[in-house]
Amino acid sequence: DTEVTQTPKHLVMGMTNKKSLKCEQHMGHRAMYWYKQKAKKPPELMFVYSYEKLSINESVPSRFSPECPNSSLLNLHLHALQPEDSALYLCASSQVVLVANNPKNIQYFGAGTRLSVL
Amino acid sequence: DQQVKQNSPSLSVQEGRISILNCDYTNSMFDYFLWYKKYPAEGPTFLISISSIKDKNEDGRFTVFLNKSAKHLSLHIVPSQPGDSAVYFCAASRYNTDKLIFGTGTRLQVFP
Repeated sequence: DTEVTQTPKHLVMGMTNKKSLKCEQHMGHRAMYWYKQKAKKPPELMFVYSYEKLSINESVPSRFSPECPNSSLLNLHLHALQPEDSALYLCASSQVVLVANNPKNIQYFGAGTRLSVL
Repeated sequence: DQQVKQNSPSLSVQEGRISILNCDYTNSMFDYFLWYKKYPAEGPTFLISISSIKDKNEDGRFTVFLNKSAKHLSLHIVPSQPGDSAVYFCAASRYNTDKLIFGTGTRLQVFP
């Protein structure tokens, strides 16, 4: 089972709204990720949580606020977004595999939340 | 600075034939490479990976080849099926990091 569940699937919000995206995995993965994907572009990393602590922030504007309440859940709180923030937001979690005794990460993605900011 | 590149934005292949998707990278510190498939309105699905200590990895119809000296990898799908029609992303990571760098993607269309 490699399921990562994201809710909602679609979200429309105004620039003054506050909303949250949710992500859940029950695979015991220790790392969880938020990505942003614009049309015809590759996914761009936003945040990484490792063992429930924020380990990477790719210089994301503060209007995006991640939260990891426990090892299975990841939230992305949105406030005062701009129309250019409209995109597909993807959550992933990663499984560590040993390759020649070296740990490697395989990331498994959710279906994403399609966000439109009006 | 695009460290992982897929120079073919699209590829069209007849059902039953071989599909070859290519990927080039610039950072010699990358040591693990992955291929993902993405259907519209879905997240990327992991397909196959390869470590830099190997030059080939095979899983069913999918084979990934790595040429470290050329900083090039390729995904072979044989035989191609209509259900393989999707966007394919290659991705790379460095030792002991959680960060994946994705290529720009190649849209594969398999026609009957």
